Amino acid sequence: TQLLEQSPQFLSIQEGENLTVYCNSSSVFSSLQWYRQEPGEGPVLLVTVVTGGEVKKLKRLTFQFGDARKDSSLHITAAQPGDTGLYLCAGEKGGTSYGKLTFGQGTILTVHP
Amino acid sequence: EPEVTQTPSHQVTQMGQEVILRCVPISNHLYFYWYRQILGQKVEFLVSFYNNEISEKSEIFDDQFSVERPDGSNFTLKIRSTKLEDSAMYFCASREDHSQPQHFGDGTRLSIL
Repeated sequence: TQLLEQSPQFLSIQEGENLTVYCNSSSVFSSLQWYRQEPGEGPVLLVTVVTGGEVKKLKRLTFQFGDARKDSSLHITAAQPGDTGLYLCAGEKGGTSYGKLTFGQGTILTVHP
Repeated sequence: EPEVTQTPSHQVTQMGQEVILRCVPISNHLYFYWYRQILGQKVEFLVSFYNNEISEKSEIFDDQFSVERPDGSNFTLKIRSTKLEDSAMYFCASREDHSQPQHFGDGTRLSIL
């Protein structure tokens, strides 16, 4: 069974602070996606990382894929109340398991004004 | 922007009854998926579907579950005889090909009484 351990599960910070969410596994993934999910809605894709060591930036969000493609991180700089939400990482293996996403537990982020 | 749409948004069913959850994937997408999320737990893969057949299914997807693409636009998940533990959010997702990310619908909340 492939597992993605996401941490922390809960994060409560003040506006302007920086934060990092981690996603770790013992398995190698062909790609890893980060999603954001609002209450009552489905996950919305933020970014996909594919290459080991890859770094992608989305405004104040920086995503990194580990060199061995087993782990990933999401770093938010100068968090804002609008960043509040549930963040999910999901890994996809290649080969016959193409398409099957393995999700982490999620990180509930609360940014206080 | 095209969306994956799911109906109904909330389904309440008596235990033992059959239920059909409906999804309309994005029109040019070829790969279709069902996931579920039990309250407070991870999003879990159920099944992937391509070219009118199941590509992969999880151990959750037992013989009580089936999927169908009855026409060119709908993708359905049927649970033949529902159990209390089937209560969850069910998400449909689709993608154009393996190089593209999965797009999720907003889910159907299934409540089994």
